[in-house]
Amino acid sequence: NAGVTQTPKFRILKIGQSMTLQCTQDMNHNYMYWYRQDPGMGLKLIYYSVGAGITDKGEVPNGYNVSRSTTEDFPLRLELAAPSQTSVYFCASSYSSHREAGELFFGEGSRLTVL
Amino acid sequence: GDSVTQMEGPVTLSEEAFLTINCTYTATGYPSLFWYVQYPGEGLQLLLKATKADDKGSNKGFEATYRKETTSFHLEKGSVQVSDSAVYFCALTGGSNDYKLSFGAGTTVTVRA
Repeated sequence: NAGVTQTPKFRILKIGQSMTLQCTQDMNHNYMYWYRQDPGMGLKLIYYSVGAGITDKGEVPNGYNVSRSTTEDFPLRLELAAPSQTSVYFCASSYSSHREAGELFFGEGSRLTVL
Repeated sequence: GDSVTQMEGPVTLSEEAFLTINCTYTATGYPSLFWYVQYPGEGLQLLLKATKADDKGSNKGFEATYRKETTSFHLEKGSVQVSDSAVYFCALTGGSNDYKLSFGAGTTVTVRA
């Protein structure tokens, strides 16, 4: 099994450009998440989804959008990229909710630099 | 809101040394506690977890005990190896928000041969 697959792994954007980070999981998980990881700051939740067609904001959603048209895919859209969005982005999925202490499975990350 | 505080790194050890990474939490209700590990160039993966007070999670020689009285979940390993070099994250969930996993800042551990 591939698990959680993210693309691209690296990307450099100019200020004001837009792009989509792709995330696909093949474990039939209902729950999917996007986190960003900044140095010394741990991971912050951007958006999450509890199933196809359902998404909700996390801690730091400004400047991002998501969609969940299928169980497998959870793309993250950056509109009008800003230097503050320079970060490493992780997609994750889980079978059960946090209430059930479900294990998160993470992709390898996407390093985005905005210049 | 819920939060996790873990000891700052980086931590550098020699092989076979004892490792402790402190983690304390603030949460309402009865959270579950986790340690995730991130090896170089990889995503995070679950190392161990505990879902109620006095539970001990263990995996790969690592252990952590859920201490409600001290709101702590310290990670320990008795004899580290070079392959344990990684970033370790303490995390909690199930306090005030079921869908949020609150992470600590991470502790970078380097083990020298």
